[in-house]
Amino acid sequence: SQQGEEDPQALSIQEGENATMNCSYKTSINNLQWYRQNSGRGLVHLILIRSNEREKHSGRLRVTLDTSKKSSSLLITASRAADTASYFCATVGGYNKLIFGAGTRLAVHP
Amino acid sequence: DVKVTQSSRYLVKRTGEKVFLECVQDMDHENMFWYRQDPGLGLRLIYFSYDVKMKEKGDIPEGYSVSREKKERFSLILESASTNQTSMYLCASREAGGRSNYEQYFGPGTRLTVT
Repeated sequence: SQQGEEDPQALSIQEGENATMNCSYKTSINNLQWYRQNSGRGLVHLILIRSNEREKHSGRLRVTLDTSKKSSSLLITASRAADTASYFCATVGGYNKLIFGAGTRLAVHP
Repeated sequence: DVKVTQSSRYLVKRTGEKVFLECVQDMDHENMFWYRQDPGLGLRLIYFSYDVKMKEKGDIPEGYSVSREKKERFSLILESASTNQTSMYLCASREAGGRSNYEQYFGPGTRLTVT
């Protein structure tokens, strides 16, 4: 069953704009992770935020976590065409399994 | 860098065939996972393994089996392929330790088509 659900399902922006993707989840978590998937490829880990953290940065990425609302957001600043990909949030379920949402497809146009 | 490799990028099989998907990781990770990915459904866990010769069912194990004879290799087996098993299959590995603060490392995926 899906734990995380991303919103929007698809996002189309111009290079240089910021992209914001949201994730909602259902149960309590130890951490939440964001992954990126280029078309037809495997997933690459982007960033992990722990349940006691509210915000985390990595390069042009900014992740926030609101455990009271069971939601997280991923912000990509100054987007580039190379950021075009699908983005997934994942939470940890029983047996330390990752549970993924359906993802947000981001298209960045030159 | 961790490297997870999968035996094929693309595979076409006929209904009823027995299909083997191989996954190898080079970082001595104890945990390995097999997912399938379908449009609109995200990634769904088929099977996972905590260690050699150990396996646990994921969310959608029906029609699949796995084998973990060596630590670095985790095989997914489709006993009798069916058209509804046409999908992208992704293998992943991660460190063990009982903690959840570990990322998973993914292979490039195998796109399987069953005709």
